[in-house]
Amino acid sequence: LAKTTQPISMDSYEGQEVNITCSHNNIATNDYITWYQQFPSQGPRFIIQGYKTKVTNEVASLFIPADRKSSTLSLPRVSLSDTAVYYCLVGEPLYNFNKFYFGSGTKLNVKP
Amino acid sequence: KAGVTQTPRYLIKTRGQQVTLSCSPISGHRSVSWYQQTPGQGLQFLFEYFSETQRNKGNFPGRFSGRQFSNSRSEMNVSTLELGDSALYLCASSPVGGRSAASGANVLTFGAGSRLTVL
Repeated sequence: LAKTTQPISMDSYEGQEVNITCSHNNIATNDYITWYQQFPSQGPRFIIQGYKTKVTNEVASLFIPADRKSSTLSLPRVSLSDTAVYYCLVGEPLYNFNKFYFGSGTKLNVKP
Repeated sequence: KAGVTQTPRYLIKTRGQQVTLSCSPISGHRSVSWYQQTPGQGLQFLFEYFSETQRNKGNFPGRFSGRQFSNSRSEMNVSTLELGDSALYLCASSPVGGRSAASGANVLTFGAGSRLTVL
């Protein structure tokens, strides 16, 4: 069961870079790492996904070391609107939903 | 491209009643999954449907049930409501795809949720 461990909360200021690390020691060979963002009273929204090394898109970067036992979501120059809960998930939802564990996520609070 | 649509967005029920929630997935998505989110338990998986068949089921009592129609739309039903059923119920859809390093893992697209309050 590829459970994940993330910090419960983090504080940051506008304009700073934020790095949220997720630990997933039991990741399986075929598992991908996916990050979602959730605002209050809304459904989670896909941010980024990766398998190994580094992935970058228009909103974030994902760093995955060679052993894949952890991953780091990097949000460049955060703004107040980035205040949300961020979830790290490991697995393949199509084949093993029961192992698709959201956990408590990391509540990011961006201050002015 | 329309997103995942959930109805109703808000509803209030009393203990003992039943409720039906609806989810319309993104066009072309054939997998629909349901989740319950509460402050205490976080986001928990309920069940997943594909081609009108329940393929995966989470650890919830039999009062929670669902179904999927031939057009991939899905409904979930909760019977004999309890106070603890008050939650945000989310559905998500995902396309059917291959499982390979090239194609990546399937990404879930969530709806805005149905907020159920049980009095």
